[in-house]
Amino acid sequence: EVRLVESGGGLVQPGGSLRLSCATSGFMFSPYPMSWVRQAPGKGLEWVATINPEGGKIYYVDSVKGRFTVSRDNTKNTLFLQMNSLRAEDTAVFYCARGQWGAFDSWGQGTLVTVSS
Amino acid sequence: DIVMTQTPLSSPVTLGQPASISCRSSQSLVHSDGNTYLSWLHQRPGQPPRLLLYKISNRFSGVPDRFSGSGAGTDFTLEISRVEPEDVGVYYCMQATQLITFGQGTKLEIK
Repeated sequence: EVRLVESGGGLVQPGGSLRLSCATSGFMFSPYPMSWVRQAPGKGLEWVATINPEGGKIYYVDSVKGRFTVSRDNTKNTLFLQMNSLRAEDTAVFYCARGQWGAFDSWGQGTLVTVSS
Repeated sequence: DIVMTQTPLSSPVTLGQPASISCRSSQSLVHSDGNTYLSWLHQRPGQPPRLLLYKISNRFSGVPDRFSGSGAGTDFTLEISRVEPEDVGVYYCMQATQLITFGQGTKLEIK
């Protein structure tokens, strides 16, 4: 069974940092592009970042460029998102998702990030 | 950036009746490799999204055949032939031809 489990969310003050993890199991992690998608409370889905299988190609939505860094450890089947200089508007549930056929075919349950003083 | 526009934003439907959601992109979704990376997802309240269709019309594993997709270029449609109670929730289109963007979502509810 394909499983993606996010962790690392929580309450952080504006300007603070968090590191999210997405532990995967049930499939061979290394060949798949992986992404982070977020959903602000009561809002729609917003793509955040994508990393290719080898980690050499990385893409971000403009609003997080220079603040967020996506990475992966193919030996530990884990995806990461380092988030710095957090803002109130970053408050959201963050999902990790597996990429295939130009779509996201598997999703985690999400981890909530709340940025507030 | 490619903007994805869904209509309607809300759709009250009768059980057993068909439903249709449209998705329009601000530019063609035909990729240089010839594929059109348009997918549809469904999200129930409190749940993560799940994939329904990819590359316009390909049903993902386990998706009932009452779900179908069509379209080309900039105009796409998701159709449900007969709405079931478990189909309620929000439907999103997503393009992955040029980075990734989602539509605003269409809330499907039972009349």
